[in-house]
Amino acid sequence: DAGITQSPRHKVTETGTPVTLRCHQTENHRYMYWYRQDPGHGLRLIHYSYGVKDTDKGEVSDGYSVSRSKTEDFLLTLESATSSQTSVYFCAISEPTSEEGNEQFFGPGTRLTVL
Amino acid sequence: GQNIDQPTEMTATEGAIVQINCTYQTSGFNGLFWYQQHAGEAPTFLSYNVLDGLEEKGRFSSFLSRSKGYSYLLLKELQMKDSASYLCAVTQAGGYQKVTFGTGTKLQVIP
Repeated sequence: DAGITQSPRHKVTETGTPVTLRCHQTENHRYMYWYRQDPGHGLRLIHYSYGVKDTDKGEVSDGYSVSRSKTEDFLLTLESATSSQTSVYFCAISEPTSEEGNEQFFGPGTRLTVL
Repeated sequence: GQNIDQPTEMTATEGAIVQINCTYQTSGFNGLFWYQQHAGEAPTFLSYNVLDGLEEKGRFSSFLSRSKGYSYLLLKELQMKDSASYLCAVTQAGGYQKVTFGTGTKLQVIP
């Protein structure tokens, strides 16, 4: 299994508070991703990174920001959490190769509840 | 835009064979992933198809028809542990290789 961890694994917070989720990898993979997973929507990409300090938006980036100051860490920040951001958040990593279509390895997920 | 369709739920009997279909419409299609996700866990990679045809990996096989925008995942000799959601995901060529996931098919295996 790929060495990828997420912290915290569970969090309950209140509307309007800032929240930061951390993804840490030990695989030295170049690409890192943040997804959210909600019933009826599947996995949706929030932001991704293609290198240190190189990030870009996904399809549901509003209300989220990211930072990547080191290869191994990718942070997702909710500046002011809203109830619509209650979800399960998955981090994923991949390394560009010519094989297996850049398979993504997923972290264990963070369950976030915004009250 | 992109559109990926797969059945929401399926039920099959232990020991049987089940086929989970996925249809897609996407520009710049490159390949198609299948992932397995047990309840409360992270998705795990099953297969990746780029070329037309069937690829077999043990009890699991995946098929792709690029011209029809169609794929299926075939699970043989079903076991109770195969109860999970199966996610179809398509990739687009270029850039960081954008991956778009379908909503998943929840498979229940019954005795």
